[in-house]
Amino acid sequence: NAGVMQNPRHLVRRRGQEARLRCSPMKGHSHVYWYRQLPEEGLKFMVYLQKENIIDESGMPKERFSAEFPKEGPSILRIQQVVRGDSAAYFCASSPTTASSYEQYFGPGTRLTVT
Amino acid sequence: AQTVTQSQPEMSVQEAETVTLSCTYDTSESDYYLFWYKQPPSRQMILVIRQEAYKQQNATENRFSVNFQKAAKSFSLKISDSQLGDAAMYFCAYRSAFSRAAGNKLTFGGGTRVLVKP
Repeated sequence: NAGVMQNPRHLVRRRGQEARLRCSPMKGHSHVYWYRQLPEEGLKFMVYLQKENIIDESGMPKERFSAEFPKEGPSILRIQQVVRGDSAAYFCASSPTTASSYEQYFGPGTRLTVT
Repeated sequence: AQTVTQSQPEMSVQEAETVTLSCTYDTSESDYYLFWYKQPPSRQMILVIRQEAYKQQNATENRFSVNFQKAAKSFSLKISDSQLGDAAMYFCAYRSAFSRAAGNKLTFGGGTRVLVKP
């Protein structure tokens, strides 16, 4: 059973460009979470999605950031008009369908560098 | 909102010795889960150990064990017989047990870097 997949692993964007980060959850998982890790800090929750629904986006910046998890395909975290402060590692995690499950399985992360 | 605090930015341990990492948290909830994650230089987040708040018995996983003090809201990790491969960042994390929208997210501490000396 393949783990959580994220691509690209490294992404370089110039200020003002758009960044698209992809996450394929583990097989059978329908809950996806995005976290951001700034240098030398812990992970910070951004958004929690189920298929076709945003459940909790309390950690998402109000502007420029959006996320989706379509019925088919990976979850996408989209950052428009990137700025230097967006440089960070972005992690995706997934968990199984069952509501009682509490473990989140993490992907390897995407390191975004804004030049 | 819940907060997780790791007061030790860095800890150093001699190979084969024991090191204890501290973690405190703040919550008004009575039921929750606590985790320790390891992040090696590869940046992959690896679950080390988990603890359910309703269980009084401290969790253990091979050389890793926790000291869970619910009243004190403390959740320390002990690494016994330290190995070079244990060198990494360690993050403490909290998750509510309530299966509502806001209860599914993990709240992380700032991390403790563990250095293992040969």
